[in-house]
Order: sequence, then structure tokens, then C-alpha cells
Amino acid sequence: QKEVEQNSGPLSVPEGAIASLNCTYSDRVSQSFFWYRQYSGKSPELIMSIYSNGDKEDGRFTAQLNKASQYVSLLIRDSQPSDSATYLCAVIADRGSTLGRLYFGRGTQLTVWP
Amino acid sequence: GAVVSQHPSRVICKSGTSVKIECRSLDFQATTMFWYRQFPKQSLMLMATSNEGSKATYEQGVEKDKFLINHASLTLSTLTVTSAHPEDSSFYICSASTSPYNEQFFGPGTRLTVL
Repeated sequence: QKEVEQNSGPLSVPEGAIASLNCTYSDRVSQSFFWYRQYSGKSPELIMSIYSNGDKEDGRFTAQLNKASQYVSLLIRDSQPSDSATYLCAVIADRGSTLGRLYFGRGTQLTVWP
Repeated sequence: GAVVSQHPSRVICKSGTSVKIECRSLDFQATTMFWYRQFPKQSLMLMATSNEGSKATYEQGVEKDKFLINHASLTLSTLTVTSAHPEDSSFYICSASTSPYNEQFFGPGTRLTVL
């Protein structure tokens, strides 16, 4: 059983601030990690994927992965009200009968206030 | 790139009827497609995984005879909710992936209401 834990929030930050979202996972052999954003009433949208230790930057988003600590995070710089959504951390099952299955955290609800 | 479509986006039907939902990968070939269900304010729940040309693998507790999944090509999977009842009303979302190790791209979802 793979467990993915997220700081449940809700997280509230002012516009322009940095929002920090954290996630830990239990399966040491996991190799693929993702952050999805889900607006209320909509389907998840892929924000970042990360496969190796270190930082990966894409625009205002930076994903950080530390496999030794089984920890993955997402930083959102210059947060905007349009970033207000639920952010889902996801880990892929990369072995066995569940190959390819995504395991999601419960999500962190982020509110960016003007 | 990596666009997944679903049709219809919304459907209202009477209890006892069957509803078919289509999921298409528009600009890539999806070896694997996934079907999820999400109730209001709850987490995504994986219903089944399907690989092109193979039978779908259903999650525990999901009735395979009620939720029929067909993955006939690398760009199309369908979910048929047979003899739908009000408790089947939910948001059904598909996702597609080029390989088991890669990211999944989600369709926009289908909101099913059974009267």
C-alpha cells in the first residue's frame, strides 16, 4: 500500500507571496512524482513532473524532490488569486500489478487573497 | 500537446438507462487509460485501469458488470454505466498515459446525474 501524505491546509497566502506545498510518500522505490492542480468542479491539471533529486523549475513553479527523505514539494512564487485551487501530490506505482497507477495525497487547498 | 477529451461533458438520464462516456487522447497514443470517479468534496477514486486491447483491471469494490470499459484503440476508451441509478451520479474523469512510468493527462470530466 502506497501512502502519500500532504499538509492538508487550508493554506492561505497574500498575492505576491510564495506558497509552499509539501508531500511525503512511503514507498522508497517510487521514481515518478507529480503535482496536479484541481479547481473546484474541474478535473486535475498537471503542473509539474519530477523524476530525479533536486529542483525543477517551470515559470513560477518549482518542484523539489529528495528521495532519501521521501519528500517532494512545490513552491509557487509570486502567487496569484488564480492559483487558488486544490493541489494534489501524486506518486506513480512503478512495479507489480499496480504498475502505472497514481497514488494521490488528499490535497492541499490553497487560497491566494488579493 | 497532451490533450485528452471526454464526451459528453454533462449527461442527465433516467434511472435504469445506460450511459456511455468516451475518452480520447487527441495528440498522443495512450497505451493506458484510467477511469476515476469523484463525489463532491471528496478525493479522486480510481475505478479501473485499461490497456489497449486488453480487459480492464477494476479496483476492489467496483462492479465490472455495471461499469463496462472498452479500450479498443490507442486513442479511445469508453466507460458505459449500465442500468444507472441515482447513487451513480458523480463526476467521472478519465486520464491517459503513454507509458506506465509517465504522467497521466486528465480529460475534462463528465458530470452524470441520474434522476
